[in-house]
Parts: sequence; structure tokens; C-alpha cells
Amino acid sequence: GQNIDQPTEMTATEGAIVQINCTYQTSGFNGLFWYQQHAGEAPTFLSYNVLDGLEEKGRFSSFLSRSKGYSYLLLKELQMKDSASYLCAVDRGNKLVFGAGTILRVKS
Amino acid sequence: EAGVTQFPSHSVIEKGQTVTLRCDPISGHDNLYWYRRVMGKEIKFLLHFVKESKQDESGMPNNRFLAERTGGTYSTLKVQPAELEDSGVYFCASSYGTAFTDTQYFGPGTRLTVL
Repeated sequence: GQNIDQPTEMTATEGAIVQINCTYQTSGFNGLFWYQQHAGEAPTFLSYNVLDGLEEKGRFSSFLSRSKGYSYLLLKELQMKDSASYLCAVDRGNKLVFGAGTILRVKS
Repeated sequence: EAGVTQFPSHSVIEKGQTVTLRCDPISGHDNLYWYRRVMGKEIKFLLHFVKESKQDESGMPNNRFLAERTGGTYSTLKVQPAELEDSGVYFCASSYGTAFTDTQYFGPGTRLTVL
């Protein structure tokens, strides 16, 4: 979606760690968001990165490299409830531009 | 604190009819956004209000779509006349301010089906 790329689907095992990558065009970049969306529900804010480096928030961490146009979301100690779609979104001047989302399936 | 709410949750209409979607942002949020997701595609920006003023409506697909935010509180998005390709999920989001980058909080969406 508008040059924001993320894998379509991923599968991981309960208790494991999974990394969801996102690449984007670097022009007009004001920050990068990760949202979680369960089917039929609102996208829920997970994390925000504007500077290079890792932001940690409990089981979830997000990393950003502005020069490479690259981010990842790291989910640790996976739980079944983490099965959802994960959306990478770039802020291009108070307008979020989304990737198509990554469907994560957590299996027991 | 109540989140962003949207009404209705689902709407099924026939081609050529009119539909009005409503969004109530989080209380105190001056910024209100509309997005939509059509089948199999990514969520796409439609427009942005700051209070009652349209700040950016570059994503509105055509003049069949009209968004309003009278009084700077809730917003409506009217589609008239609806076409088949308008089917999708319409999301509303709100944020407090625009200092650099501000987190947008999303509503659950309205699923619109045009037959």
C-alpha cells in the first residue's frame, strides 16, 4: 500500500517470539505507528517511533531505522490472543499511510 | 474515558441510495479523521478535520462523498448516490493535537455494503 510493505501472513507458536517487518519510502516521514486489529474491531494503538532505535513496551517492542526506511514489531511470549492483524502506518503530515497489514496466527 | 464511536456498525443499501455515517470522537480531541478499507486493500486516508474546518480532503474519492463536522464535535460522512465500489469499512479516528505527531485513536468502523 503506497510503498509500505509488510508480509501478508505469519504463523508462530504460543510462547515464542515473532518479528513483523515493515519497509517504507522515506520521503515525507514524520513517524511510524504500529496498530493491532482483531477482526471486526477498531485498530488499537501499539507503538510509535520517530527516532532511530528500539521502543519497548511490555511484551511488544518496535524498532526504527529512518535511513533504511525500515521498522519491525517484536512480540515476545506469544499468547493466543495475539492472533490478529498488525498494521504498519507512516505519518506523512497528520495523514497516516497504512500497509496492507500482516495477519499473525498463533498456534498452540 | 469513552473511545471513538461510530454509527451504524453495519449498513446495507442499494446502488443509488444515500447513506450517512456518523463518528463521535474522543471528548476534547480537535482532530478527526476519516479512513476507509475496501476489500483486500489497505486502510486509506479520506480527510482530516481540525475542529470544524477541513484541513486536508485529498483522499476523498469524488464529489459523491461529503463530510461535515458542524460545531467541531461529531462528524458525518454522506455518500450520495452510493455505488458498488463504495463498499468497505469506514473508520473514524481522532487525536488531541497536532504537535509534531499525535496518536490517532480509531473507532470500530462502519461496514458499508452497496448492492
